[in-house]
Amino acid sequence: GQSLEQPSEVTAVEGAIVQINCTYQTSGFYGLSWYQQHDGGAPTFLSYNGLDGLEETGRFSSFLSRSDSYGYLLLQELQMKDSASYFCAVRDYSGAGSYQLTFGKGTKLSVIP
Amino acid sequence: DGGITQSPKYLFRKEGQNVTLSCEQNLNHDAMYWYRQDPGQGLRLIYYSQIVNDFQKGDIAEGYSVSREKKESFPLTVTSAQKNPTAFYLCASTVTSLSYNEQFFGPGTRLTVL
Repeated sequence: GQSLEQPSEVTAVEGAIVQINCTYQTSGFYGLSWYQQHDGGAPTFLSYNGLDGLEETGRFSSFLSRSDSYGYLLLQELQMKDSASYFCAVRDYSGAGSYQLTFGKGTKLSVIP
Repeated sequence: DGGITQSPKYLFRKEGQNVTLSCEQNLNHDAMYWYRQDPGQGLRLIYYSQIVNDFQKGDIAEGYSVSREKKESFPLTVTSAQKNPTAFYLCASTVTSLSYNEQFFGPGTRLTVL
């Protein structure tokens, strides 16, 4: 089975930097994704790490260490609109030549003035 | 504009009734997925489909059924056998499930069973 652990809540100040960690235990691992979801809305894709290292997309960066079964999402220059839930998701093999995502329970980020 | 539509946004049903949630995409994606989300929880996979006329159970398929008669459509039926159907249901699609591609999500249907 799969299990992912991430903090349930994080609070940070506007303009600051915040890091959301994700640790996972999986029987098979093919990559780690991050999704953002505003209250009542649909998740939207932020980033994907298939290999170890840092991926940067604007203010957002994501890091993966497969040997440590660990990754994180880094948000810089926080804005009020970044207040949302952030989910890490492991891509694993589901058989019959296809892959699926297993999601963590999410981290609710509150950005305060 | 390409995207995924789900209807209705809010749905109320009486206990014991089956209900079908609609999901349509015009992205020409091969793979489609149904997730369930409960308050404060992550997304749990109900069913997924890689191609037309084929689908597989996810982690919590009991009490649900799906069909994939057209590439664009992947409706989900919540049956009376589902013990606790009140939840937020999200449909997603991706170009193909055979290699990595981001999943695109619809706006969701919030189902309340009274």
